[in-house]
Amino acid sequence: DVKVTQSSRYLVKRTGEKVFLECVQDMDHENMFWYRQDPGLGLRLIYFSYDVKMKEKGDIPEGYSVSREKKERFSLILESASTNQTSMYLCASSLNGGETQYFGPGTRLLVL
Amino acid sequence: SQQGEEDPQALSIQEGENATMNCSYKTSINNLQWYRQNSGRGLVHLILIRSNEREKHSGRLRVTLDTSKKSSSLLITASRAADTASYFCATARNTGGFKTIFGAGTRLFVKA
Repeated sequence: DVKVTQSSRYLVKRTGEKVFLECVQDMDHENMFWYRQDPGLGLRLIYFSYDVKMKEKGDIPEGYSVSREKKERFSLILESASTNQTSMYLCASSLNGGETQYFGPGTRLLVL
Repeated sequence: SQQGEEDPQALSIQEGENATMNCSYKTSINNLQWYRQNSGRGLVHLILIRSNEREKHSGRLRVTLDTSKKSSSLLITASRAADTASYFCATARNTGGFKTIFGAGTRLFVKA
């Protein structure tokens, strides 16, 4: 079974702090994704990566950056956290583009 | 832009009844996926149906796809309290690179 893990289930940060969210998958998947989920808005894609050191902006990349130094790890970085970044963050991976995505358990981030 | 839109937004049924959720989308697709999310958790993949398929089954789940109407339905037969969750459709299309877009979801509540 594919396993996608995220570094934290819950996180509380202060405005202006730099925040790192880590995601690791164990199935050698090429593609990895970061989404945020807000009530009534569904999942919105922040960034994705289709290979090591490659990244593509999603629909809402502003205020975020990503890093993929190793195939199994995809990090989401909030350079200077703001209260409007309070959300549920979901990481996913897939073997091929457009195919089944496997999700981590999510990180609920609260920015005060 | 939201590609897949689920209907209804919320559904409440008795245990043992069937639950039907619908998804409509706007453009041509390569495949359509259904996912389930328990409260506060990550999404779990249920079924993927390709654009040249009309129906797929998995256990108590039945998915149909009508590409002429640009719509899909997810039927859960003989529902159980444990089926209580949010259900999302996601459409994948190749636009010079695959893009998968999730809808806002249907919240299903199954009363015991």
